[in-house]
Order: sequence, then C-alpha cells, then structure tokens
Amino acid sequence: GEDVEQSLFLSVREGDSSVINCTYTDSSSTYLYWYKQEPGAGLQLLTYIFSNMDMKQDQRLTVLLNKKDKHLSLRIADTQTGDSAIYFCAERLDFGNEKLTFGTGTRLTIIP
Amino acid sequence: DTEVTQTPKHLVMGMTNKKSLKCEQHMGHRAMYWYKQKAKKPPELMFVYSYEKLSINESVPSRFSPECPNSSLLNLHLHALQPEDSALYLCASSRGIASGRPGGTGELFFGEGSRLTVL
Repeated sequence: GEDVEQSLFLSVREGDSSVINCTYTDSSSTYLYWYKQEPGAGLQLLTYIFSNMDMKQDQRLTVLLNKKDKHLSLRIADTQTGDSAIYFCAERLDFGNEKLTFGTGTRLTIIP
Repeated sequence: DTEVTQTPKHLVMGMTNKKSLKCEQHMGHRAMYWYKQKAKKPPELMFVYSYEKLSINESVPSRFSPECPNSSLLNLHLHALQPEDSALYLCASSRGIASGRPGGTGELFFGEGSRLTVL
C-alpha cells in the first residue's frame, strides 16, 4: 500500500522544538522527503533521507527514520514564527519509480 | 536557475471554456509532473512526463490533456471542466530516472501553482 499518514495539527511555543511525525506502510520506500508549504504557495523541499540512513541533521532540522516501524520524523529546533506552514512527508517507492506519494500534511502553528 | 515557473497564477473559467496552464523549467530536468491539490489536502499526482514521453497517467479524466512540447515546457489543456475541478494545480520537475535510478536525490522542485476556479 502507499498510505502515508501524519497528524493533522501541531501547536508549539516559539523557541521550543517541533516534532512532526509520519508513518508509511510500504517497506520498499527508498527516498523520503520533507516539504514545507506556506499559504497559497507551492511546496519547498526542506530535507530528505535515504532508506539506508537512520538520521540526518541539517542546521535546525533533524530527520529520524525507523524502518522497522516505518516511522519518519522531522524535528525543528528553536521554532520560529516563520516556521508556520503545512509540512508534508513524501516517499519514493523504488529507485525506478518517478512517483512521489505525499502524506496527509501537518499544519504547524506557532504560539507566541 | 532553480525555478519552476507556472502561468497563470490565477484562472477563472466557465464550464464551456478551453484554457491552458503552462509550466517552464530551465534546470535541465527530464521529468515533469502535474499535481492537483484541493484545500487542506495533500497534492495528488495527475501526470508524469519522462524524457518528453507520458509515463504516468493516474486515471485522470480526459477533460485534462497534458502536453510536453520539449524538455523545458509542460502544458495542461483544460476543456469542459466541472466546478469540482477547482483546485491549485502544481507543476514540478526532477532530474529524471537514468540507469534505473533517480538523478541526484530524486527530489521534486515545485512551482508556485496555478489556482483554478471553475464557475
């Protein structure tokens, strides 16, 4: 199956860390991505992780991958008001597959 | 240039109109995509062109007709649409599949979208 699930909403105080979770059902996923979408805009790639990795850090962003549980998370350190957006995880099923399947999206709201 | 440019940004059309959405990239990417996104929903794949050939059609109604005139351009021709087709239409590109593997890290680069309203 290709269902990719996320919690719909997350509220975090400014300066705290945000953790956005994603679960997927297809164990053959090869590449996993996190995209950010601000209101009325397209999707912006934030970061990615290959399936043979379990962690990747990129400045304020940390991605954790648990292949056994098919669980992906994105941690944003020191969350700022500019981080308010919808965050989508996405998976590419195999190397030869051009299709990216997106998760349901998590709306992150920052509380001042 | 890492941009995917979509025109128009907004389009209002009647159910009997014929219109087109356009998408352009100059990153040398060989795969181009159309996604449809309804409010508060994730993008849903419609079509993929790979090396200028249609490689994926996700059972999209024939009132949507894609065209890839060359590797930099992608069009979506619209005819006899329904009000439920109103949505944000997103174009994306990627380096494409070569030798059985995606180029680079396989990510998609998205345009800002064309917001379509069908009256």
